[in-house]
Amino acid sequence: DIQMTQSPSSLSASVGDRVTITCRASQSISSYLNWYQQKPGKAPKLLIYAASSLQSGVPSRFSGSGSGTDFTLTISSLQPEDFATYYCQQSYSTPSTFGQGTRLEIK
Amino acid sequence: QVQLQESGPGLVKPSGTLSLTCAVSGGSISSSNWWSWVRQPPGKGLEWIGEIYHSGSTNYNPSLKSRVTISVDKSKNQFSLKLSSVTAADTAVYYCARGTGYCSGGSCYSSQNFDYWGQGTLVTVSS
Repeated sequence: DIQMTQSPSSLSASVGDRVTITCRASQSISSYLNWYQQKPGKAPKLLIYAASSLQSGVPSRFSGSGSGTDFTLTISSLQPEDFATYYCQQSYSTPSTFGQGTRLEIK
Repeated sequence: QVQLQESGPGLVKPSGTLSLTCAVSGGSISSSNWWSWVRQPPGKGLEWIGEIYHSGSTNYNPSLKSRVTISVDKSKNQFSLKLSSVTAADTAVYYCARGTGYCSGGSCYSSQNFDYWGQGTLVTVSS
């Protein structure tokens, strides 16, 4: 299985901050990388697919980049509703695997 | 707007079989999408269990393959999960999700971008 490692595991930030979360794959996955946001008690929500494509309805402050083994999710200006846990997921090979999550908390 | 709704027992005895159904509304299960199950143990991360296409083609996580069966009922626009020989380690919130798909050269493939999810259902394995 391809291992996905996110950093940091948790992050404290303030409204208006620019935040970057990193995801590293244990082998090259081309651009088969997706990002999800999950709030407590809710299902994950697809934010970014294919490394950099913004899912319909997702605010443009979210962006993704990278290819191969290293990827980033950037939130350009944090809003109160962005405090949540973020997961990366590789869809390059079966089984699809997720990172361990990055918890974004209010400073 | 596509909606998915999980249903099934919230409590399963050890060594028993976990059975869940996901009803799809607002769209056809016979579309070009694949239909997945994903689980999340309390306080932990996400694990993909497996997926099915309306033709009946399936892909499973090798770590669970010997215990998992995913099936589809096109007449009811729903798909189901069975997980046998459960233990406490199978206690989790179980989600159903729609994965995008594409067809090429007469074959259809899963992109595994999960764009619609059910709300999740907690299944506890306990005697």
